[in-house]
Amino acid sequence: DAGVIQSPRHEVTEMGQEVTLRCKPISGHDYLFWYRQTMMRGLELLIYFNNNVPIDDSGMPEDRFSAKMPNASFSTLKIQPSEPRDSAVYFCASRDQGAYTEAFFGQGTRLTVV
Amino acid sequence: SQQGEEDPQALSIQEGENATMNCSYKTSINNLQWYRQNSGRGLVHLILIRSNEREKHSGRLRVTLDTSKKSSSLLITASRAADTASYFCATDGGNQFYFGTGTSLTVIP
Repeated sequence: DAGVIQSPRHEVTEMGQEVTLRCKPISGHDYLFWYRQTMMRGLELLIYFNNNVPIDDSGMPEDRFSAKMPNASFSTLKIQPSEPRDSAVYFCASRDQGAYTEAFFGQGTRLTVV
Repeated sequence: SQQGEEDPQALSIQEGENATMNCSYKTSINNLQWYRQNSGRGLVHLILIRSNEREKHSGRLRVTLDTSKKSSSLLITASRAADTASYFCATDGGNQFYFGTGTSLTVIP
């Protein structure tokens, strides 16, 4: 397996534009997580899915953020409209079912909103 | 916040020395994991310790866990320049992970 794949790796957009981040988890993994990393706030859990169903989205900062997982091999994180304070690195991670399993992270998407 | 906290925030040592990082957390856990992040990359899993374990070894890594104090430590022995990275603890309460603030380790050749 190629691991967790995120796209794009870098995104620069103007304030007010819609941004869509994409993630392909490892095949067979039941859980998918979206994290945001900034210097000020560290790694924040935004939302996670179990078997394509959103379980906890309490970390999503505002209604401008939304996430979907239409099938087991694809998830999106959308920001609309984007703002400069959304600038961060966004990571997707997946893990297998089980009590003692590790998370596998993608390379991240560096988002810059100008 | 359910995030853990690591200390120190930054650590600089000479190659060959040992590096110790500490993690404190707030909630009850199923297990605790340590991850490494190289600059500009995603996190990579290093080691997992279960809540009923007190110590675990993997190569040059040694992890301890004290659930009564809600704390863990990561020891890297005989450090190398390639160990330069940020290290994060992650608490696993059953489904999701909550990450600490990280320790930035610099190993000077």
